[in-house]
Amino acid sequence: EVQLVESGGGLVQPGGSLRLSCAASGFTLRSYWMGWVRHAPGKGLEWVASITGDGSGEYYADSVRGRFSIARDNAKNSLYLQMNSLRAEDTAIYYCARDVPYSGWSFGCWGQGTLVTVSS
Amino acid sequence: QSALTQPPSASGSPGQSVTISCTGTRSDVGNYNYVSWYQQHPGKAPKLMIHEVTKRPSGVPDRFSGSKSGNTASLTVSGLQAEDEADYYCSSYADNNVLFGGGTKLTVL
Repeated sequence: EVQLVESGGGLVQPGGSLRLSCAASGFTLRSYWMGWVRHAPGKGLEWVASITGDGSGEYYADSVRGRFSIARDNAKNSLYLQMNSLRAEDTAIYYCARDVPYSGWSFGCWGQGTLVTVSS
Repeated sequence: QSALTQPPSASGSPGQSVTISCTGTRSDVGNYNYVSWYQQHPGKAPKLMIHEVTKRPSGVPDRFSGSKSGNTASLTVSGLQAEDEADYYCSSYADNNVLFGGGTKLTVL
């Protein structure tokens, strides 16, 4: 069974940093692009970042470029999101998601999400 | 790039059909056949219902169908059932970016 389990969320002050992790199981991680999508309270979904299967390519939403960094360790079956210079508007549930190959970056499998709250 | 435009709400009675629209531009929806639709129940993770405009992942009922004309994509839910009540989001690939719509709350009356 395919499973994605996020961790690392919590309360952080504006300007602070947080590292999210996503543990993948039930499939060969290196065979898939992966991404992060967030859902802020009362708002719609927002794509955050995606990474190629071998980690050679990284793509970011304009709202997080230069502050967030996506990474993966296929040997550890893990995906990461390093979030720096956090702002109140980064408050959201962050989902780890697996890409559907060659589908134009659609996400076929999702984790349960981890809540990030940026507040003083 | 701006988010895609969806109506905030839609509704229908059990057994009826309802269509949700998703309007973008010629740079996103109009330029790629890479529109997806997601269903999200309260407190749950999104679930992929349609990808590449018309393709249904395994396990998604054929009551769900997608289409596109120009810069507007649509999701049609036929034979509405109570469990279809949820938020629905469209998305489109756009030049190394993914745009989402603001979401449509579907109510089954």
